[in-house]
Amino acid sequence: NAGVTQTPKFQVLKTGQSMTLQCAQDMNHEYMSWYRQDPGMGLRLIHYSVGAGITDQGEVPNGYNVSRSTTEDFPLRLLSAAPSQTSVYFCASRDYRGSNQPQHFGDGTRLSIL
Amino acid sequence: AQTVTQSQPEMSVQEAETVTLSCTYDTSESDYYLFWYKQPPSRQMILVIRQEAYKQQNATENRFSVNFQKAAKSFSLKISDSQLGDAAMYFCAYRTYTGTASKLTFGTGTRLQVTL
Repeated sequence: NAGVTQTPKFQVLKTGQSMTLQCAQDMNHEYMSWYRQDPGMGLRLIHYSVGAGITDQGEVPNGYNVSRSTTEDFPLRLLSAAPSQTSVYFCASRDYRGSNQPQHFGDGTRLSIL
Repeated sequence: AQTVTQSQPEMSVQEAETVTLSCTYDTSESDYYLFWYKQPPSRQMILVIRQEAYKQQNATENRFSVNFQKAAKSFSLKISDSQLGDAAMYFCAYRTYTGTASKLTFGTGTRLQVTL
């Protein structure tokens, strides 16, 4: 059971480039989400999804796009990378059937925008 | 909107001693969940302990326990018999009780150092 898998683990981009951070989970969780972690600011929610075909914005959605075509995958797209998007990105999933279920996190992607 | 405050950016404890990490939160809801997550240098987010707000009994997990004061909106984490492996960032988090879209709100974290 792999849990939540994020790829890549590290990435360096130039300003203006686009890229997709991949996230996959094998636990059949309906709820998936993306967070960014910046020094001194904890984790902030970017986008989330409660099931295939359903996505919504979190606290800091600008500059990011998501889609959810399958239960397993929830990719995060940077449309035009900016230095302010330098951060560590975490994907998480949860089984909503048990309302007290915790989030399961991936290992994170460290992204640097030059 | 809910907020979570961790007022201690850094804490230090000697091995085998006990340390308490503070967390307060602001909410108008009566039912919710509270979590403590540990993030070691490996960057993984590891669930340490969770508490349902409707439960009066404080949660415990081996050496980890919480002091949940609902009226004061306080949720502190006590680590007993501290070990070198406990050194990490610790995040307090809040989640609403109802709805599949309930979101997790994190505090800014407390870095715990464990010394010999």
